[in-house]
Amino acid sequence: GENVEQHPSTLSVQEGDSAVIKCTYSDSASNYFPWYKQELGKRPQLIIDIRSNVGEKKDQRIAVTLNKTAKHFSLHITETQPEDSAVYFCAASGFQKLVFGTGTRLLVSP
Amino acid sequence: DAGVIQSPRHEVTEMGQEVTLRCKPISGHDYLFWYRQTMMRGLELLIYFNNNVPIDDSGMPEDRFSAKMPNASFSTLKIQPSEPRDSAVYFCASSWGSSGRAEDTQYFGPGTRLTVL
Repeated sequence: GENVEQHPSTLSVQEGDSAVIKCTYSDSASNYFPWYKQELGKRPQLIIDIRSNVGEKKDQRIAVTLNKTAKHFSLHITETQPEDSAVYFCAASGFQKLVFGTGTRLLVSP
Repeated sequence: DAGVIQSPRHEVTEMGQEVTLRCKPISGHDYLFWYRQTMMRGLELLIYFNNNVPIDDSGMPEDRFSAKMPNASFSTLKIQPSEPRDSAVYFCASSWGSSGRAEDTQYFGPGTRLTVL
């Protein structure tokens, strides 16, 4: 089955800096890669996703890149703000069933 | 759209008691997922349904756990008997369609925080 690894487990940045979170997956049949943000005590919420027919996708300060050959994808957050502090999860799916990474705790200091 | 609805939001029970968690998916969604989240194990998929039929229950930890979906708008996750190691946040999520289409985004409910004493 699919296995998703996520790094780093924690990431501390200064406000305004960029943050990068990386994930690798094992199943070459996976074709859907969402990223979820989870604030303390709240539900995971989708922030961006990418499909296997696209190499990069941007939404304002957030971007995701996908390298199918290497089987890895990354989340990029530019101009970080304190409200970006949360746990971020990557996931991979081949047929509906999502397999999540272990999460990255991002702390943005003012 | 009210989103995915879960009840109760918090549940405290004693070891050995039966616990029933409830979920109402987003109207029109034909996939429903039950997840468990703990610090140690992260976010784990327990079981998911398509059109009310269980598709994959390989994540259900043991026979003490069972899930049903009697109709398109309601699902339950039952733990009987409960144990302290079942303490976790249980999320329900729903989506429409199969992987590869825009409809397969999963929307999570607010979760049920279960504490078993």
